[in-house]
Amino acid sequence: GAGVSQTPSNKVTEKGKYVELRCDPISGHTALYWYRQSLGQGPEFLIYFQGTGAADDSGLPNDRFFAVRPEGSVSTLKIQRTERGDSAVYLCASSLTMGEGPFTDTQYFGPGTRLTVL
Amino acid sequence: QQQVKQSPQSLIVQKGGISIINCAYENTAFDYFPWYQQFPGKGPALLIAIRPDVSEKKEGRFTISFNKSAKQFSLHIMDSQPGDSATYFCAASKLGGKLIFGQGTELSVKP
Repeated sequence: GAGVSQTPSNKVTEKGKYVELRCDPISGHTALYWYRQSLGQGPEFLIYFQGTGAADDSGLPNDRFFAVRPEGSVSTLKIQRTERGDSAVYLCASSLTMGEGPFTDTQYFGPGTRLTVL
Repeated sequence: QQQVKQSPQSLIVQKGGISIINCAYENTAFDYFPWYQQFPGKGPALLIAIRPDVSEKKEGRFTISFNKSAKQFSLHIMDSQPGDSATYFCAASKLGGKLIFGQGTELSVKP
């Protein structure tokens, strides 16, 4: 079975531009998470979805960041007016469900999208 | 209160030796403690995880030791191999919730 996939794998943009990062979770996984990983650091939580709704968006750094999951499967992370400080690897993870047990709640990560803002 | 502190930052071990990585957390509401392994250019992959109702969990060469009263947990890698060379992250969460990751430990196993 396919794992979590993310596209593009690399994205280079200019300061001030808009970018969209896509995540395809494992089929059947209802929970989807976005994290951001800066060089030499652990991943930092951004937002997670249970189904179509954002269950917790407390990690989004400011209103330039927005994420959607309109049909409860694929998710898109959108960044407006990109800044050089947004450069990082953006990781997506999915889990079978949320809050029901360690077997079903294991978060499986995709390979990430490396975003570079020039 | 959301922090997870991980040490050491880097670790060099000889092949066949034991690698030990330590983590400490603050939030007593956390009830799920996974360890992830990450290779360069890849996403983190779950290695082993523990709930606070047990003090130790072993899977093959990997063991988590958990001390609830001290709010600390550690990863032991027995018989370390060059293929174990990677970055290891501890994490903590309320089950199903966002993972709070440590800063990572870069492990190098020398042949």
